[in-house]
Amino acid sequence: EIQLVESGGGLVQPGGSLRLSCVASGFKFNDHGMHWVRQVPGKGLEWVSVISWNSGSKHYVASVRGRFTISRDNARNSLYLEMNSLRTEDTALYYCVRDSLTVGPNAMDVWGQGTTVTVSS
Amino acid sequence: DIQMTQSPPSLSASVGDRVTITCQASQNIRNYLNWYQQKPGKAPKLLINDASNLETGVPSRFTGSGSGTHFTLTITSLQSEDAATYYCQHYYDLPPTFGPGTKVEIK
Repeated sequence: EIQLVESGGGLVQPGGSLRLSCVASGFKFNDHGMHWVRQVPGKGLEWVSVISWNSGSKHYVASVRGRFTISRDNARNSLYLEMNSLRTEDTALYYCVRDSLTVGPNAMDVWGQGTTVTVSS
Repeated sequence: DIQMTQSPPSLSASVGDRVTITCQASQNIRNYLNWYQQKPGKAPKLLINDASNLETGVPSRFTGSGSGTHFTLTITSLQSEDAATYYCQHYYDLPPTFGPGTKVEIK
């Protein structure tokens, strides 16, 4: 079964840091680019970041550029999002998402269940 | 950034009805357009890629069409399990933005 399982979410104060993880199973991880997409409860979807299959290209939405870092470890079938200088507006459910091809963005064809990040004092 | 708009924001229809959702891009995105379905409390699910290609396992009552700036998602015979929010998303360039969503309710 193809699966993405996120972890690492939690409550953090403004200005704090958090590291999200995502473990993939059931498919060849290094055949796919990977994304992080977030969603404020009750609101729409916002793309956050993408990394290519070999970590050769990484891209970010403007609002997180310079604060968030995407990375992956193909040996561990894992995707990460290092989040620094967190703001209240970063509060959301963060999804780990598979791209259909090696270098995104393309179709986002497999989604995890998400991990919740709450930034609040 | 390319802006995506959807209409209507919400709709209510009966089982068996034909439902059409429209998605418009702020510039020509050719056919670089995907559609997703999100049910309450669940992650989004990819329905259609490249504007009109149905994902494996998605019922044939879902169809996508369009190119350039104007796209549609049609449900030819609405079923109760289709109650969800539907999002379009372009991938013409970065960032790959989503539309605001269309919430479909069953009467």
